[in-house]
Amino acid sequence: DIQMTQSPSSLSASVGDRVTITCQASQGIGKNLNWYQQKPGKAPKLLIYDSTILETGVPSRFSGSGSGTDFAFTISSLQPEDFATYYCQQYRNLPPTFGGGTKVDIK
Amino acid sequence: EVELVESGGGLVQPGGSLRLSCVSSGFTFDIYAMSWVRQAPGKGLEWVSSIFASGGNTYYADSAKGRFTVSRDNSKNTLYLEMKSLRAEDTALYYCAKGFLGHGTSTDVWGQGTTVTVSS
Repeated sequence: DIQMTQSPSSLSASVGDRVTITCQASQGIGKNLNWYQQKPGKAPKLLIYDSTILETGVPSRFSGSGSGTDFAFTISSLQPEDFATYYCQQYRNLPPTFGGGTKVDIK
Repeated sequence: EVELVESGGGLVQPGGSLRLSCVSSGFTFDIYAMSWVRQAPGKGLEWVSSIFASGGNTYYADSAKGRFTVSRDNSKNTLYLEMKSLRAEDTALYYCAKGFLGHGTSTDVWGQGTTVTVSS
């Protein structure tokens, strides 16, 4: 199975901060990577697919980069509604696997 | 608007069985792969199973193989997960998720989940 190592596991930030989360795959996955946002008590929401493509309706302050084994997810200016847990997921190979999550909370 | 509504969760004793259902609307169900993903209390996301559009191709996590069976009824826009020999470690919120065309087992829209608790 492909292991997805996501870091940090948590971070504290202020509104307006730039936030970056990284995800490393244990083997190359091309650009077959999603980023999801999950708020407490809610289902995950797809934000970015194919490493860099913003899902329809997702604000442009979110972005993704990377290919192969190293990926990054960035929020350019953190907004109050962005406090949540974020997960990366590879779908290159079965089984699809998730990173451990990054909880973004208020400093 | 795409909507996925899961049901069938509940409290079951170890070794017991449950059948989860996911009724879908707002999209052409029979052309999309569908998946089940679970989340244990306070934990991360774990893929459980996927079924492709025709229903002929099914895939399972090692933790589900031999105990869980995924199926679909395209005439009812419904996805199922039959779970047998349940264990305490199967306790989780089970999400149904819609596949993303051309992206293998990737998913784009998830239901709100149904809770499975395995306990004596």
